[in-house]
Amino acid sequence: EVQLVESGGGLVQPGGSLRLSCAASGFTFSGPYMDWVRQAPGQGLEWIGRIRNKAGGYTADYAASVKGRFTVSRDDSKNSLYLQMNSLKTEDTAVYYCARDWNTALDYWGQGTLVTVSS
Amino acid sequence: QSALTQPPSASGSPGQSVTISCTGTSSDVGGYNYVSWYQQHPGKAPKLIIYEVTKRPSGVPDRFSGSKSGNTASLTVSGLQAEDEGDYYCNSYAGSNNFVFGTGTKVTVL
Repeated sequence: EVQLVESGGGLVQPGGSLRLSCAASGFTFSGPYMDWVRQAPGQGLEWIGRIRNKAGGYTADYAASVKGRFTVSRDDSKNSLYLQMNSLKTEDTAVYYCARDWNTALDYWGQGTLVTVSS
Repeated sequence: QSALTQPPSASGSPGQSVTISCTGTSSDVGGYNYVSWYQQHPGKAPKLIIYEVTKRPSGVPDRFSGSKSGNTASLTVSGLQAEDEGDYYCNSYAGSNNFVFGTGTKVTVL
């Protein structure tokens, strides 16, 4: 059974940093691309980034709203995906989901972790 | 990249059909056959129900179908059931290695 479990969310002050993790199981993690999607309270979904696999050079793409502040990485040896978030703003407050990327569709999602940016 | 436009709400009685539109531009929906649809129930993670415009993942009922014409994609739910109530989001590849979601549609089963 495919499982994705996010962790690392919490309360952080504006300008601060936070690192989210996503532990994967039930599939060969090194194979697919992996994505992060967020959802602000009461709002819609927003795609924020994707990392390719080894064959894709582990390169990442980002939404304009987070480019330069967020970094997606992965450790295939640990079956883990990461999202490093720097220079956080109040508008980054959201539930953050990791998802498996399957030919540009997101076929499995984690349960999400809440990040609150507030002073 | 602006969000794709969806109607805020849609509704139908059990057994009826409801169609949700997802309007973008020639740079996203109209330019690629990489439109996917997601169903989200309150407090839950989204679930993939349509990918590559018309394809259904294993386990998704054939009551769900997708289509596209020009810059507008559509999701049709036939034979509405109570469990179909929830939020629905479209997503499209938008070129330059970017993706964009729709604004979301709340489906109510009357």
